[in-house]
Amino acid sequence: GENVEQHPSTLSVQEGDSAVIKCTYSDSASNYFPWYKQELGKGPQLIIDIRSNVGEKKDQRIAVTLNKTAKHFSLHITETQPEDSAVYFCAALGYNTDKLIFGTGTRLQVFP
Amino acid sequence: GAGVSQTPSNKVTEKGKYVELRCDPISGHTALYWYRQSLGQGPEFLIYFQGTGAADDSGLPNDRFFAVRPEGSVSTLKIQRTERGDSAVYLCASSSTSGYTGELFFGEGSRLTVL
Repeated sequence: GENVEQHPSTLSVQEGDSAVIKCTYSDSASNYFPWYKQELGKGPQLIIDIRSNVGEKKDQRIAVTLNKTAKHFSLHITETQPEDSAVYFCAALGYNTDKLIFGTGTRLQVFP
Repeated sequence: GAGVSQTPSNKVTEKGKYVELRCDPISGHTALYWYRQSLGQGPEFLIYFQGTGAADDSGLPNDRFFAVRPEGSVSTLKIQRTERGDSAVYLCASSSTSGYTGELFFGEGSRLTVL
């Protein structure tokens, strides 16, 4: 089955700097890759997603890139703000399935 | 309410007891998912409903776990003979379509502690 690895597990940046989180997946047939943000005591919330027919997607300060050949995808956050501090999860959806497989999460801390 | 509602938010029980966790999805959402999240880990898939039927229950760890969605709306996750290893946050999510076309909306979870 699908396996998703995520790193780093923790990431500390200064406000205004960029943050990059990377994930790799094992199933080459996976075709949907969402990123979720989880704040303390809350459920995960979708922040951006990308499908396998696209190499990059951007939404204001957030971007996701996908390299299908290497089977990895990354989240880029520019001009980080303290409110970006949270745990971020990548996930992959296998072909013809309905279950997302999540990475182990990255705790991002943005210091003012 | 506007979002996915889960009750109870916290449940403490003793080993061997029976537990029910409830999920009230967003109105009109046909797809409903249960995930389990252990401390410091990502959500782990348990079961997926499309309407009233369980379309995929491959994530249920053993036969002590069971879930129902009798009217295609509210779902209940049932855990029999709880064990300490069942302690986790149980997350419910719903979607207007199946997972590969629609966004999953998660509830805040039910934190289960088995003493």
